[in-house]
Amino acid sequence: AQRVTQPEKLLSVFKGAPVELKCNYSYSGSPELFWYVQYSRQRLQLLLRHISRESIKGFTADLNKGETSFHLKKPFAQEEDSAMYYCALIEGTYKYIFGTGTRLKVLA
Amino acid sequence: NAGVTQTPKFRILKIGQSMTLQCTQDMNHNYMYWYRQDPGMGLKLIYYSVGAGITDKGEVPNGYNVSRSTTEDFPLRLELAAPSQTSVYFCASLGRAVETQYFGPGTRLLVL
Repeated sequence: AQRVTQPEKLLSVFKGAPVELKCNYSYSGSPELFWYVQYSRQRLQLLLRHISRESIKGFTADLNKGETSFHLKKPFAQEEDSAMYYCALIEGTYKYIFGTGTRLKVLA
Repeated sequence: NAGVTQTPKFRILKIGQSMTLQCTQDMNHNYMYWYRQDPGMGLKLIYYSVGAGITDKGEVPNGYNVSRSTTEDFPLRLELAAPSQTSVYFCASLGRAVETQYFGPGTRLLVL
C-alpha cells in the first residue's frame, strides 16, 4: 500500500536556524507529492508541489526518488513558520494519502 | 466565491445518535473529499467522490456514509455515533485544472 511517513511529530528550532521537515514515501510508480500547511486557526492549504519546482515562503522541497524522500527545507526559520505541516501524495485518480504531520515550532 | 463551506462548526453527540455533516463548494469542482484529523494521526481519508453520483471509500470508511447528488454538495452521514468518531472533520474539493485541494474550515465533533 502507498504510504507517507513523517517521522517527527514535533520539531522545534530557533528563529534564524535552518529547518528540515522529513517526508518519506512508498509508491510503485512516479509519485506526485505535495506539502500542505495549517497555521493556527486557519484552513489547511497547499504550500508547494514537487512538479512546480517552486519556492514558497522560502521553503523548497526536492523529490529524491533514490531515497524516496521529499523533505521540506528552509534556510532561515521565521516565527510565522510555526504551523502543522503535512506531506501528501496522490494515489491513482486523485486519491490523496497524507502523512501524520509535523508540528513546527519556531522559537524566538 | 465562498470556496468550501462546512456546517456545523461544532457539535456534541450522544452515543448512538446520528447526524449529517454538510459540505458545499461553489467552485464547480469534480472531486470532493472527507477527512478526519486526530491528534498524532494526521489526516485520514474517509470517503471521496470523483463526480456527482460517484463515491468511493477511503482509508477509514467504517461508521460513515456519503452521497453526491449534486456537484456542489457532499454530505457525510454518521448513523450510530461512537466515541471513536470524536475528531475534527475536514471537507475538501479539487478541480481538474489545478491539482490543489481546497479545504473547508472543519467541523469539530465530540461524541460522549
